Formats: sequence, C-alpha cells, structure tokens
Amino acid sequence: QKEVEQDPGPLSVPEGAIVSLNCTYSNSAFQYFMWYRQYSRKGPELLMYTYSSGNKEDGRFTAQVDKSSKYISLFIRDSQPSDSATYLCAPVGPNYGGSQGNLIFGKGTKLSVKP
Amino acid sequence: KAGVTQTPRYLIKTRGQQVTLSCSPISGHRSVSWYQQTPGQGLQFLFEYFSETQRNKGNFPGRFSGRQFSNSRSEMNVSTLELGDSALYLCASSVGLAGGQTQYFGPGTRLTVL
Repeated sequence: QKEVEQDPGPLSVPEGAIVSLNCTYSNSAFQYFMWYRQYSRKGPELLMYTYSSGNKEDGRFTAQVDKSSKYISLFIRDSQPSDSATYLCAPVGPNYGGSQGNLIFGKGTKLSVKP
Repeated sequence: KAGVTQTPRYLIKTRGQQVTLSCSPISGHRSVSWYQQTPGQGLQFLFEYFSETQRNKGNFPGRFSGRQFSNSRSEMNVSTLELGDSALYLCASSVGLAGGQTQYFGPGTRLTVL
C-alpha cells in the first residue's frame, strides 16, 4: 500500500464550481499535511497546511484533515480558470535524526476549470 | 525576498555521464531538500541537508549524492546517468525546524538523459 493515495483525475469543472480534492494516507504518525499547487512546467507552490485534525481556511481554499479515517481534503470555492493546475497533497514524514521530515507526495490531481 | 533558484533549468546528457545541479535557497533558510519528479513515480524525496550535513535520505541508489555549503547553497550530483534518471529535479528550502511545514520549491532542473 502506498503511503499517500490521490486520484490523478483529470477533474474538469465549470467556472464557479466548488471543487473537492482528496487524499488518503496510511501512516497514523503524520502530523502536518501540506497542499501544493503545480502549474505546468513549474515547481510546486505551497498553498496551505494543517496540523493534526481539523479545518483551516484561506480565502477560497479550505483544507481539512480527518485523522481517524486518514483522509485529507482540499476544497476550492468559486473556482476560477486560473486554478487549473495539478494539486498535490503531502503529509510530512517523521523527523528522523533531527530532520524536519520530508514531504511524502501523492501523485497529484490534475484540475481543469472551464470558463 | 528572492525565491529558491535552481541552475541550470534544462540539461541534456547521455548515458554514463555525470551531472551536477545547483540550488540556492531563500535567504535565511538553512535546510535544502531535493526531490525527483517523474510522470510514473510522481515526486520522490532524495535527501535533505541542514548546516552542511545530510540529515535525511530517501530510497535512491548511491549514484545520487549531494552536499551543502556554508552559505546554505546546495548541489546534487548524479553519476553514471541512466535513461530512467530523466526527470524534473526540484529543490526546496525551509528554515529547517521540526515539522517542515514551510518548504518552498524552486522551478526545477529538467534533466533529459539520451
């Protein structure tokens, strides 16, 4: 079983729709959960992160973690064509040897928002 | 503040050669991590350097190595290149504290091995 599973899509929605992007993970020790957005031929851009369970909101974006079911979600409200990108969930791995913990990425979901 | 910079942006090499990639982190950041991105495997962690010391390593063969300098700049080296090493190589910088929640990525170096 992979540590992080994410539906690759592609996911196509009309402009203004609410988008739900999801990941599952297997390691109950994960505490930090990141969401990155990656445009074509660019590096990943940090969108937001959550610590442990609960919700976090930032503008049109809401990140949600349910540690009991090992489920991570990112919601995008009022989606825009400029949101078209690949979205990557990334729990932070254990901090072995005093490290900060590496990011463990899902494969990413490709989102297309049509005008 | 300037972001993470990586050089070169594109590289074409042939099998058996070696390559060195460079990463300059955000000013004040002491941790640099390297990741490989391929269509098949996605983003995979290579290694992390903090204060010139490797403190975490992913599951890659010994052909992949790195180092960090006193100014936090980092280099990654791949020896004896294989076709499967063709990928986007990304570095990420952070302040290096436990939790790692703020890793910022550069634009990547796209390596093509012929």
